[in-house]
Amino acid sequence: AQKITQTQPGMFVQEKEAVTLDCTYDTSDQSYGLFWYKQPSSGEMIFLIYQGSYDEQNATEGRYSLNFQKARKSANLVISASQLGDSAMYFCAMREGGTGRRALTFGSGTRLQVQP
Amino acid sequence: NAGVTQTPKFRVLKTGQSMTLLCAQDMNHEYMYWYRQDPGMGLRLIHYSVGEGTTAKGEVPDGYNVSRLKKQNFLLGLESAAPSQTSVYFCASSTLAGVFPYEQYFGPGTRLTVT
Repeated sequence: AQKITQTQPGMFVQEKEAVTLDCTYDTSDQSYGLFWYKQPSSGEMIFLIYQGSYDEQNATEGRYSLNFQKARKSANLVISASQLGDSAMYFCAMREGGTGRRALTFGSGTRLQVQP
Repeated sequence: NAGVTQTPKFRVLKTGQSMTLLCAQDMNHEYMYWYRQDPGMGLRLIHYSVGEGTTAKGEVPDGYNVSRLKKQNFLLGLESAAPSQTSVYFCASSTLAGVFPYEQYFGPGTRLTVT
């Protein structure tokens, strides 16, 4: 089974509008972390936001917020007031607490295009 | 403070050739990783290291070897390159002692083409 599922291969949003990128995850660990990364066309991986499994409040970082619904195993990224520079690939990733390696498992990504 | 650097940035190999990708980090991180990213896909873990002198296999280790002789360096080797290894390779490092536990700091990537 897929550990991280991103069901939206591509999304369009108008500039200044909000957009939600979906992410569901699958783990049997009680301790885990969820990350979102942005990958612009230049190729680098840019960390956006983190949610720990024990965090009671949804994470926020500027225009980014993470809608964490633990019972549903979802961790959707919300970008408010989209900007043209937000056009990029977005990856959801999970670090499971039960493994010693502390590596991330990535979803297949969502390509977001912001239209003027 | 350069963060995570990767050498080279681009490389073209012929089938059967060998090469080594170098990753260096100056943040004193314990954990280092090699991922590959194929077109239209997320990153997949090749090998990782939890400390100097230790390495372990990830999800897609076949055809690759790694070494971590120094804490700051993590080398990825391809002994006999195959076209299926055409990909973008990312190195990353992490530590428990950060703002976000085990947040991964990525290098800029190496684009490898095997013809």
